[in-house]
Amino acid sequence: AQRVTQPEKLLSVFKGAPVELKCNYSYSGSPELFWYVQYSRQRLQLLLRHISRESIKGFTADLNKGETSFHLKKPFAQEEDSAMYYCASQVQGNNRLAFGKGNQVVVIP
Amino acid sequence: ETGVTQSPTHLIKTRGQQVTLRCSSQSGHNTVSWYQQALGQGPQFIFQYYREEENGRGNFPPRFSGLQFPNYSSELNVNALELDDSALYLCASSLGLSSNYEQYFGPGTRLTVT
Repeated sequence: AQRVTQPEKLLSVFKGAPVELKCNYSYSGSPELFWYVQYSRQRLQLLLRHISRESIKGFTADLNKGETSFHLKKPFAQEEDSAMYYCASQVQGNNRLAFGKGNQVVVIP
Repeated sequence: ETGVTQSPTHLIKTRGQQVTLRCSSQSGHNTVSWYQQALGQGPQFIFQYYREEENGRGNFPPRFSGLQFPNYSSELNVNALELDDSALYLCASSLGLSSNYEQYFGPGTRLTVT
């Protein structure tokens, strides 16, 4: 079974400071990893996925198979980054997502 | 292009009652997945429908059932409601079963069981 762990529940950072959200996964195969974001009063939406290897809104995430991690990083936080962030995994071949509990990010002006 | 819609937005039911939640998939999407999100938790996969057939189920009891219609809209039915069923129910649609297809989420239905 897939399991995704996000250890910190709430992360408060000052504007301009770096942000790192930790995500670890457990699955014996080769899962696909995602970060989803939910801004206030908006629906859950995809932020980025590991296979695309792109930076979205300044965020990047690197899949580390040795550490089974997929941490999300942004060098300089902006106020508009305040949101709930969920790490999710998906078994290759189907699109059923297993989510972590989420991180609430608050960027202090 | 219309996004994923869900109805109702919220509802309150009594323990033991039955409830039906509805989801309209995004235009052109034939796959719908349902998730339960309890307070303070991430979404949990309930089941998925592809072209009107159930295609996988999470760890939920049989009193959680669903349907998908020819227009690919979907229903989630929950019988014999329990207090722990209080949650936000999300549906997500995608172009197909492949993991390459992004899932697009609806705004959710907030169910409160008293």
